[in-house]
Amino acid sequence: QVQLQESGPGLVKPSQTLSLTCTVSGGSISTGIYYWSWIRQHPGKGLEWIGYIYYSGLTLFNPSLTSRLTMSVDTSNNQFSLKLSSMTAADTAVYFCARALENAGHFDYWGQGTLVTVSS
Amino acid sequence: EIVLTQSPATLSLSPGERATLSCRASQSVSTYLAWYQQKPGQAPRLLIHDASNRATGIPARFSGSGSGTDFTLTISSLEPEDFAVYFCQQRSIWYSFGQGTKVEIK
Repeated sequence: QVQLQESGPGLVKPSQTLSLTCTVSGGSISTGIYYWSWIRQHPGKGLEWIGYIYYSGLTLFNPSLTSRLTMSVDTSNNQFSLKLSSMTAADTAVYFCARALENAGHFDYWGQGTLVTVSS
Repeated sequence: EIVLTQSPATLSLSPGERATLSCRASQSVSTYLAWYQQKPGQAPRLLIHDASNRATGIPARFSGSGSGTDFTLTISSLEPEDFAVYFCQQRSIWYSFGQGTKVEIK
């Protein structure tokens, strides 16, 4: 059974960079048929796709976030990561990592999510 | 960017009733449309993919239909555990989600 688990700080100061990691178990991140995504949910709101990374390092980002966003993949540790710079209160959200099949349009496995609060 | 609009925002129903949820896309997404259920404090759970295919382990009371720009999620007879928020999601170049429909107990 595939499992995804987010890790990172729960509190970030304004203007700082958020760093989150998603650890994948029960399957290899190097299986070249999946896109590994980050998705966030502002408190009490809907879902916003942030971007994805392929095992090769290929990325695609939400145009609204691309100027602040970096993603990387660590196949040796079966992890992928997100860095979001210049954090503001508007970035306070629950951040999820999720898996999508390369040639499909949906997310079949999700992490439990981690709340990130931006506050001084 | 494709915008998904869900209606209604809230659906108040009793257990055993039928729920019909709508998702409209601002342009055609073919059948690249999925539905998720989310309960408080949990990650979304995939219910339906490719507009009408139930995900593994999803009960038959959940069904999806539609193509192009208009899609429907139907829960044939609500069980107590079905009261939750439901999101639709599409993939064109990028992914996007609808704003959600809350199914609450009447």
